[in-house]
Amino acid sequence: EAQVTQNPRYLITVTGKKLTVTCSQNMNHEYMSWYRQDPGLGLRQIYYSMNVEVTDKGDVPEGYKVSRKEKRNFPLILESPSPNQTSLYFCASRVGGEQYFGPGTRLTVT
Amino acid sequence: DAKTTQPPSMDCAEGRAANLPCNHSTISGNEYVYWYRQIHSQGPQYIIHGLKNNETNEMASLIITEDRKSSTLILPHATLRDTAVYYCIVRSNRDDKIIFGKGTRLHILP
Repeated sequence: EAQVTQNPRYLITVTGKKLTVTCSQNMNHEYMSWYRQDPGLGLRQIYYSMNVEVTDKGDVPEGYKVSRKEKRNFPLILESPSPNQTSLYFCASRVGGEQYFGPGTRLTVT
Repeated sequence: DAKTTQPPSMDCAEGRAANLPCNHSTISGNEYVYWYRQIHSQGPQYIIHGLKNNETNEMASLIITEDRKSSTLILPHATLRDTAVYYCIVRSNRDDKIIFGKGTRLHILP
């Protein structure tokens, strides 16, 4: 089944403790991206990647890192999480304008 | 800024056709109209897209006006599971990003 998977689905952590949210797609898509979704602010793009070893900042990249060493994986790294990064995170992969989203990761930073 | 305007919310009776409007008066000749929906806290789901002609798939129909300044997404027989936020998006194949606006919150009434 064609899909985008994310792990973990839920995470509660403390300020400053490094974490990684994994994202994997099995559709051989070149384009992948990360979004965060907050009430009243909608979906905002954090980072995107046009292909392996190519990443670019989206609209809200501060406090986040990404890497794209393989086509299928696009992990999101929070080196020093802060409470304002509490949010619902979505990974997505895309072919043309058809974007396929993962199930989401709900992150709480205390 | 999003290039589209949608009503913030709509109601539709279960079993009836849901017609969701979208205005995109500044659309360019090479820009497509895409529709996505997001069921509560799940990842957004691609529905359909079109350039000039009307399109239909197993989920919905897309009607684009002749001047391409507006479109309507039609869910022919709405069910309770169609309750979601529906996003109308305009983008060209050269756009790196897909920008989600606020969408229309569709309530299907039993």
